[in-house]
Amino acid sequence: NAGVMQNPRHLVRRRGQEARLRCSPMKGHSHVYWYRQLPEEGLKFMVYLQKENIIDESGMPKERFSAEFPKEGPSILRIQQVVRGDSAAYFCASSPGSGRASTDTQYFGPGTRLTVL
Amino acid sequence: RKEVEQDPGPFNVPEGATVAFNCTYSNSASQSFFWYRQDCRKEPKLLMSVYSSGNEDGRFTAQLNRASQYISLLIRDSKLSDSATYLCVVRGYNFNKFYFGSGTKLNVKP
Repeated sequence: NAGVMQNPRHLVRRRGQEARLRCSPMKGHSHVYWYRQLPEEGLKFMVYLQKENIIDESGMPKERFSAEFPKEGPSILRIQQVVRGDSAAYFCASSPGSGRASTDTQYFGPGTRLTVL
Repeated sequence: RKEVEQDPGPFNVPEGATVAFNCTYSNSASQSFFWYRQDCRKEPKLLMSVYSSGNEDGRFTAQLNRASQYISLLIRDSKLSDSATYLCVVRGYNFNKFYFGSGTKLNVKP
């Protein structure tokens, strides 16, 4: 059973370009979470999605950032017109969404390290 | 007030020492509790879940005190390889929302 997969692992963009980060959850997991981590800082929640639905986007910047989790395919975090301050590690996590406290936890992908030149 | 609070450390301890980390959470309706470990520039990895009765996994012991809204992690006989940042995680009253502490850094020295 493959774990959470993210690609690309490293992404370099120039200011003003778009960045697309992909996340494939673990098999059987229907909930996806995106987090951002700046150097030497903690994880910051961005968005929580289920298939075709955004459940909580309270951590997403109001502009330039969007996320989706379509019925088929990976979840996508999209950053338009990137700026230097967007440089960070972006982690995706998935959980089964079983509703059972004993089994519902998050498993993380290896992250995408975005560098904006 | 943050949902989950941790002492950032760093905790600098010699090999073989016992070290304890604490974490408090703000919402009494929180559902589940976890400790994660994060190595530098890597993803967080689940260390252990924390149950009301307390639980132990080898050198690691986790405790939960719901009355005080407090979680602890005890590491016995520290190894160099235990050096990492330890994240306290709480699954909230919104059943599938997870709240992360900012982490406690542990440095185990030879």
